[in-house]
Formats: sequence, structure tokens, C-alpha cells
Amino acid sequence: AQSVTQLDSQVPVFEEAPVELRCNYSSSVSVYLFWYVQYPNQGLQLLLKYLSGSTLVKGINGFEAEFNKSQTSFHLRKPSVHISDTAEYFCAVTITGGGNKLTFGTGTQLKVEL
Amino acid sequence: ETGVTQTPRHLVMGMTNKKSLKCEQHLGHNAMYWYKQSAKKPLELMFVYNFKEQTENNSVPSRFSPECPNSSHLFLHLHTLQPEDSALYLCASSLYRDISYNEQFFGPGTRLTVL
Repeated sequence: AQSVTQLDSQVPVFEEAPVELRCNYSSSVSVYLFWYVQYPNQGLQLLLKYLSGSTLVKGINGFEAEFNKSQTSFHLRKPSVHISDTAEYFCAVTITGGGNKLTFGTGTQLKVEL
Repeated sequence: ETGVTQTPRHLVMGMTNKKSLKCEQHLGHNAMYWYKQSAKKPLELMFVYNFKEQTENNSVPSRFSPECPNSSHLFLHLHTLQPEDSALYLCASSLYRDISYNEQFFGPGTRLTVL
């Protein structure tokens, strides 16, 4: 079975600073990887996904992530954060050919401060 | 209405009550999901319906009873719940194809409190 680890439960950062949210996964087979964002009192919204091809994936709101197979990581980055990026971020994985069953991490709360 | 909607958005119930959560998707999808989101825990997949047929039940207690009358509507019937069932219940929908991944679209959730 696959699993996802988000080691940082909270990441505080000042506005306009860069940020990296870490995600590591475990799986014995090929995977697809995702980052979702959840704003207060809302459901989850897909930020970006890695299915195949280029290991650097660009998503919405200026976020990007890099798939590193050797390190089994899929870290999320943004070069300059805004107050509006304050939210909870979830990394998720599914195995290729596994239909739509997602396994989520515990989430990272990003708090952007002035 | 667009996307995935859920009603009610907030629900407080006693342990002996019976209530239902409703989810509706307006995206033409054929798969629907119930997730439970508790603080500091990963999202837990509860049930999956593909083409109105239940294809996944992740050892969910029988006090949670799902119903999918058509591919656009999904219900979660609740009875004799426990305080530890208090959580955010999220509904999602997607297209379903067995061999490839299709993005899940989430509703805003129902915040359930069991007293």
C-alpha cells in the first residue's frame, strides 16, 4: 500500500518570501502525485498534479512541484508568497492504474504573515 | 449551481438522532466519494460509488449508511453517532475510468458535531 508523509504540520512565512512544503511518499509501484489546497471553510482544490513527463510541474497561483523518484519526494514551492496563500495544503498519491483512490497526507498549514 | 454542492454546511446532532447529508454534482461525472476529515489526521476515504454502484467501503461503521440514487446525487445517512464522529465530511466527484486517473472535485463539506 502507498503512504504519504508531510513532516511539517505548520509553516510560518513572511509575505513575499519563498516557501517549500515537503512531501514524501512510499509505494512499491508507479504513482501519480498531487497537491491540493484547502482554504478556510472550503473543500479541497487541486493545485497541481504529476502524472508523467517532465518532473517539474507548474500549477495554479504560481505554485510548482518537482517529482524526485530517487528521493520519493514531491515538494511544493512558491518563490514569493502572498497573504492569500494562507491555507492548508495536502499532498496525495495514487498508484497508476489504481482508479481514483487517493491517499492523503496529514496536511501542512501555511501561514503567511505581514 | 455549479461544481459540487453539499447541504447542510453545518450540523449539530445528538447521539440518538437520525440525519442525512446531501451531495450533488453538476459536472456530468459518474463517480462520487465520501471522505471524513478529522483534525490532524489524513483525509479518510469512506465510500466510493462508480456508476451508482458502491465499489468501496473502507471498514466504515454501520451507523454511516450511504445512498446513491443516481450519478448526480449522494447521501450519507447518519444514526446513533458517537462524539468521535464529529468531523468535516467531504463529498467529491470525478469521471471514472479503471485504468487512468481522473481529477476529483470536492464540495465545501458539512461540519458535523455530535453531542
